[in-house]
Amino acid sequence: KAGVTQTPRYLIKTRGQQVTLSCSPISGHRSVSWYQQTPGQGLQFLFEYFSETQRNKGNFPGRFSGRQFSNSRSEMNVSTLELGDSALYLCASSLGTTALYEQYFGPGTRLTVT
Amino acid sequence: AQSVTQLGSHVSVSEGALVLLRCNYSSSVPPYLFWYVQYPNQGLQLLLKYTSAATLVKGINGFEAEFKKSETSFHLTKPSAHMSDAAEYFCAVSLQGGGYNKLIFGAGTRLAVHP
Repeated sequence: KAGVTQTPRYLIKTRGQQVTLSCSPISGHRSVSWYQQTPGQGLQFLFEYFSETQRNKGNFPGRFSGRQFSNSRSEMNVSTLELGDSALYLCASSLGTTALYEQYFGPGTRLTVT
Repeated sequence: AQSVTQLGSHVSVSEGALVLLRCNYSSSVPPYLFWYVQYPNQGLQLLLKYTSAATLVKGINGFEAEFKKSETSFHLTKPSAHMSDAAEYFCAVSLQGGGYNKLIFGAGTRLAVHP
């Protein structure tokens, strides 16, 4: 069974630009969550989608947004990039929307903002 | 509100020695608790989870953790460290029920294993 895939794996952007990251969940998984990982703030929850609906959102500015498609694939977008947005962005998929279901993480997209 | 504190950002052990990684949680309602491992340039892998069944939880790669409500702790142990255990370990908490998958992570503990 293929795991969670994230594209691209590495990305370099300039301040002020916008970026879109993609996540393909494990087949059959309908929940996709996104996390930001930085050395200073650690792992922080961004948002979760289930059946194309955002179910929960972390404490991030409105520049961070996401969506989920009918095939459960998800994208997250960051507009007006800031240097502090440099991070590893992790996507996780699971069968359902409670923590009883194991979340499977992808390898992440490393975003560098210059 | 929920939170997780991992004591010790770096832990170093000899190969074959006991591994003990400490995690304390704060939660106003019964929590689910997790330990994840992250190898360089990889995502997170679930080692084990506590979901209010047995308080002693066994996971993959010989790891186990014990939920102690009175101490609000969920420490991770392994009797004998292996070189391949060198990685970063994260403790995480989530609400029971809740209807969502939000995980709150600790700051992580980097485990070094030396010969």
